[in-house]
Amino acid sequence: NAGVMQNPRHLVRRRGQEARLRCSPMKGHSHVYWYRQLPEEGLKFMVYLQKENIIDESGMPKERFSAEFPKEGPSILRIQQVVRGDSAAYFCASSRDETQYFGPGTRLLVL
Amino acid sequence: DQQVKQNSPSLSVQEGRISILNCDYTNSMFDYFLWYKKYPAEGPTFLISISSIKDKNEDGRFTVFLNKSAKHLSLHIVPSQPGDSAVYFCAASGDDSWGKLQFGAGTQVVVTP
Repeated sequence: NAGVMQNPRHLVRRRGQEARLRCSPMKGHSHVYWYRQLPEEGLKFMVYLQKENIIDESGMPKERFSAEFPKEGPSILRIQQVVRGDSAAYFCASSRDETQYFGPGTRLLVL
Repeated sequence: DQQVKQNSPSLSVQEGRISILNCDYTNSMFDYFLWYKKYPAEGPTFLISISSIKDKNEDGRFTVFLNKSAKHLSLHIVPSQPGDSAVYFCAASGDDSWGKLQFGAGTQVVVTP
């Protein structure tokens, strides 16, 4: 009974490169969420998706960030032209109802 | 605008005693509350939740209390064990923001032998 899977666990990018973070929800879960945790802070909501639909993207930065949850395959959080301030832990969660279960996170380091 | 606040950044408690973690919120639309535990370099692990129609929920050593009038909830861990040493996050969501969990900044709990 696998939990939420995220890969890669660690990602190093140089400024200006693209970062792609992947998330596979728990079996039977149709809701996927992305959160970001900056150092010494709590988790901040970014986006909520269902299959092929973005439900709430109110926490997503207006530029460079995008997310998708295609009909087949994992959810992808994409960050274009990364900057040092994007360095953070990115967590994906999934749910069947109100209780969200989190993956282990991807730690992004921008050099 | 921090709508969920955990005002104690850290808590030290002796093994076997009770740990009490507190959380305050400002948004009266919140109707579902959760507690998560997080170890370094891992994702948050769901512990226990409570909906606004209840004032208490218990699961093993963990009990969550909700005081809606005070917009306050607390997590009690009894008895505390060394494996409970972690950061604990309070989170909340509401009908007007379903799926969008608002997290507190966390409380670091250290359980000493």
